[in-house]
Amino acid sequence: GAGVSQSPRYKVAKRGQDVALRCDPISGHVSLFWYQQALGQGPEFLTYFQNEAQLDKSGLPSDRFFAERPEGSVSTLKIQRTQQEDSAVYLCASSLALGGEMAGYTFGSGTRLTVV
Amino acid sequence: SQQGEEDPQALSIQEGENATMNCSYKTSINNLQWYRQNSGRGLVHLILIRSNEREKHSGRLRVTLDTSKKSSSLLITASRAADTASYFCAPLTGGGNKLTFGTGTQLKVEL
Repeated sequence: GAGVSQSPRYKVAKRGQDVALRCDPISGHVSLFWYQQALGQGPEFLTYFQNEAQLDKSGLPSDRFFAERPEGSVSTLKIQRTQQEDSAVYLCASSLALGGEMAGYTFGSGTRLTVV
Repeated sequence: SQQGEEDPQALSIQEGENATMNCSYKTSINNLQWYRQNSGRGLVHLILIRSNEREKHSGRLRVTLDTSKKSSSLLITASRAADTASYFCAPLTGGGNKLTFGTGTQLKVEL
């Protein structure tokens, strides 16, 4: 596609509910990243994939967070038993070259998660 | 934890003026990137400067990098109202894969 597509655009979840956020990266981009952005803050790194391999998950805040990219393209970020502190915008980014050397990272518009 | 830290946190200027934003970071980097974020939208890549470069230009943007001081600056010349946005610096660390962001500079360009 022309850009990174994320769905849903908005998600309201009741506390304790499980949610799944989807990211469609740009075709051919091997690197895929997930970030969490709280209101008024910068994006915080969550996890990184190179093709289907999850190479870094050091930013995942707890074991309730799980990400996968089984076929090296679409990725899903799953949050189990959501808590109010999980409320944030979740951003996905993809990159053609390592470190964004050619054109930086391309970000999607994000999924705004609100836990009530 | 945030790697890049921008200064100032907020900046308000008149259209046509230049805007300068500064960034400091903590560890060695592979490159440093600047991004813009409009309210409620995703981040847009502006410019990338490699660790062995000192200055780079792209249109009305000028970026400098001082690795000895672990700092960078972004200059936007002849600002326009459409430049109103949050600007983030993002040092590339973690073996060359992890882009980390500060809290950003909120730029407001008034007519």
